[in-house]
Amino acid sequence: DAKTTQPPSMDCAEGRAANLPCNHSTISGNEYVYWYRQIHSQGPQYIIHGLKNNETNEMASLIITEDRKSSTLILPHATLRDTAVYYCIVRVPNFGNEKLTFGTGTRLTIIP
Amino acid sequence: DTAVSQTPKYLVTQMGNDKSIKCEQNLGHDTMYWYKQDSKKFLKIMFSYNNKELIINETVPNRFSPKSPDKAHLNLHINSLELGDSAVYFCASSQAGAYNEQFFGPGTRLTVL
Repeated sequence: DAKTTQPPSMDCAEGRAANLPCNHSTISGNEYVYWYRQIHSQGPQYIIHGLKNNETNEMASLIITEDRKSSTLILPHATLRDTAVYYCIVRVPNFGNEKLTFGTGTRLTIIP
Repeated sequence: DTAVSQTPKYLVTQMGNDKSIKCEQNLGHDTMYWYKQDSKKFLKIMFSYNNKELIINETVPNRFSPKSPDKAHLNLHINSLELGDSAVYFCASSQAGAYNEQFFGPGTRLTVL
């Protein structure tokens, strides 16, 4: 799986959009970008994933650059409950061998 | 209606003891996992089972023995506990396939004294 680089921490004002970047310059053509988050002391939670097109669901949007070397997770209206560590993971979906390799992530703090 | 549950939530024990952590999922998934999160918050996979068969074993000491009696359960037994085993252990499940997300349990905080 390709390596990812994320800033160690970010702050965002409550109600504003939180934009979390991720660099994955060595991503290969069949690798997907996944985002998970871990709210303090809880198990990680899936947010979204994508291959090359932008994706949106009820939690967030994922913007992947055209060369796929970086991506941005967008939380459109951040709330205090979004304070968490956010992990960007790049992997090839592999039937029956679907381990997630977590890096150090970005600690996002939502400021009231 | 907890999707992935683990028991116990907290486990405090002495070095050298043997302990088990249980995990159950009611999502109908066929793949289950154990992850370990150490004191530095680094989260790493230990094992995965697909349809009760061991698929991933990430060079975990053989003191750790997972057991999957059925697709809904994956238990973790640890023999001869060591101080370095202190961590939070997370169980997860997913439906095997290309894109499916993993659902994580609430974690079991193991403290070895």
